[in-house]
Amino acid sequence: KAGVTQTPRYLIKTRGQQVTLSCSPISGHRSVSWYQQTPGQGLQFLFEYFSETQRNKGNFPGRFSGRQFSNSRSEMNVSTLELGDSALYLCASSSGQGPGELFFGEGSRLTVL
Amino acid sequence: GQNIDQPTEMTATEGAIVQINCTYQTSGFNGLFWYQQHAGEAPTFLSYNVLDGLEEKGRFSSFLSRSKGYSYLLLKELQMKDSASYLCAVTSGGSYIPTFGRGTSLIVHP
Repeated sequence: KAGVTQTPRYLIKTRGQQVTLSCSPISGHRSVSWYQQTPGQGLQFLFEYFSETQRNKGNFPGRFSGRQFSNSRSEMNVSTLELGDSALYLCASSSGQGPGELFFGEGSRLTVL
Repeated sequence: GQNIDQPTEMTATEGAIVQINCTYQTSGFNGLFWYQQHAGEAPTFLSYNVLDGLEEKGRFSSFLSRSKGYSYLLLKELQMKDSASYLCAVTSGGSYIPTFGRGTSLIVHP
């Protein structure tokens, strides 16, 4: 079956702009989690959506937001971009019912100039 | 909160054995994951340990000691393609969301 798909793969923005990233999970998976990956901090959890509801949230400012649609596809938005937001944003899907393997997409690499 | 420590970088020789350690401090430990991430690619699942002991899966084995807050990933018969970052992640409390360590970059040389 098809894996997790993230778009766009690469993007460049300037400070103050906003960005929307998209994630299509594996068919049948209802949970989508978002992570920020940087060389200094590693993988940091942003939020998780399950059946269109935010179920868990990490310690990121309110500029970072997300949503999930009825088909389980998810988007995350970052407003008022800062230089420090430059990172690889990874989406992971799972069944969401109990602990288990996360299936990651290849990520969206955001560069903020 | 959770604290997960693993070495930043390790090097090893093709054909050898390498052990990547991970220590963690958390309350309400549920389980520990290992993921592999090649440069520029998505992390992929390697193992999940809930109980103490060693679990073997081909060339890769993962060990867990809950009382010591310690795990290791053992890679045997190293191949060049094993050069990657290895991520240790822990779930705790009632959450299924894993907290990741910063990863260990393994370099395998001929």
